[in-house]
Amino acid sequence: DAKTTQPNSMESNEEEPVHLPCNHSTISGTDYIHWYRQLPSQGPEYVIHGLTSNVNNRMASLAIAEDRKSSTLILHRATLRDAAVYYCILRDAGDMRFGAGTRLTVKP
Amino acid sequence: EPEVTQTPSHQVTQMGQEVILRCVPISNHLYFYWYRQILGQKVEFLVSFYNNEISEKSEIFDDQFSVERPDGSNFTLKIRSTKLEDSAMYFCASSEAWGRYNEQFFGPGTRLTVL
Repeated sequence: DAKTTQPNSMESNEEEPVHLPCNHSTISGTDYIHWYRQLPSQGPEYVIHGLTSNVNNRMASLAIAEDRKSSTLILHRATLRDAAVYYCILRDAGDMRFGAGTRLTVKP
Repeated sequence: EPEVTQTPSHQVTQMGQEVILRCVPISNHLYFYWYRQILGQKVEFLVSFYNNEISEKSEIFDDQFSVERPDGSNFTLKIRSTKLEDSAMYFCASSEAWGRYNEQFFGPGTRLTVL
């Protein structure tokens, strides 16, 4: 799987939007961009995925750059429950290779 | 909502002992995975399994590890002779289909402590 780069940590205030960036300059044409998160003491949890177009679901939005070399996960209104490690993963096959992710802290 | 379950939640064993970690994937899922996470480190892929065969495995998954689907519901990871460095959280996951656009559902994990 191609490599991704994410900031180690980010902070947000509760009820404000959060933009989590991910760089993946070596992405191939068939790689899907996936985001998972891991809440404290839990297993990873699927958030969203996309290929070329921006995607929305009930949890978040995914904005994908036109050249696909970067993407941004958007949490529209952060809650305390959104405090987690967020992983940006490129997938060209069934298995997943996690990086270190971004640790998001949400302040009340 | 269907979920992946894992037992036990915490397993303590002596170095050199065999351990079996158990998982019950979501019932209509066909693809199964094991991952591990050493404390403070990233989640690492171990193995994927489909149709009673290993599909892919990482360099971590050596001869000390094996996986099995002994019946229609359970999926197990066996470590034959545990080492101190096998201490980690082990996560089972399952997915409905194979491929780069499919969501994997993870269980809550089993914490393995090797003394």
